[in-house]
Amino acid sequence: DAGITQSPRYKITETGRQVTLMCHQTWSHSYMFWYRQDLGHGLRLIYYSAAADITDKGEVPDGYVVSRSKTENFPLTLESATRSQTSVYFCAIDKEGTGTTYEQYFGPGTRLTVT
Amino acid sequence: QKEVEQNSGPLSVPEGAIASLNCTYSDRGSQSFFWYRQYSGKSPELIMSIYSNGDKEDGRFTAQLNKASQYVSLLIRDSQPSDSATYLCAVHSGAGSYQLTFGKGTKLSVIP
Repeated sequence: DAGITQSPRYKITETGRQVTLMCHQTWSHSYMFWYRQDLGHGLRLIYYSAAADITDKGEVPDGYVVSRSKTENFPLTLESATRSQTSVYFCAIDKEGTGTTYEQYFGPGTRLTVT
Repeated sequence: QKEVEQNSGPLSVPEGAIASLNCTYSDRGSQSFFWYRQYSGKSPELIMSIYSNGDKEDGRFTAQLNKASQYVSLLIRDSQPSDSATYLCAVHSGAGSYQLTFGKGTKLSVIP
């Protein structure tokens, strides 16, 4: 969806390096989410945020850090990348903007490879 | 741990037929249910939401929910080759959390 952008779209990095994936929304919807998608595991929630400066862990938060200083941006940082973090990462936002329906829009994704 | 189960497929149906996709969930307190379609190499796209028992129709798509049996299904009528994708079932428990639990998806192939 044009209202959610992710950058970079593709990234190759080495084990041990720090990597930041960016998610930006053109609206001001409250909730933002980070998922990873792996074969055999499906979509799993890493972190989510209910508003600026409010974040919470999802199912698989270890090895990741998030922040949300501005409503529009929700960066995801891999502090020291490992091969097991090779995945496709999706950012999502709540569709209605108020967090009342639980419907989510997904960004285009970032394919990350850790060598 | 909350679980959402789907047959991985592939489910193959001829063009024009009805495709039936099923999903079961473990958390009896779940309140909201969603179907997403994901084309290969693309992001998931919300196609149906259902919140109460029964059927909900939107064009060629019908979602069915049975909370007593803890299953939700998606029917696609007059299947088209463009419906070939992976369909993800997602469930929200409603227990004070905004998290969705996703199934691993069912791959649908519509044969011309």
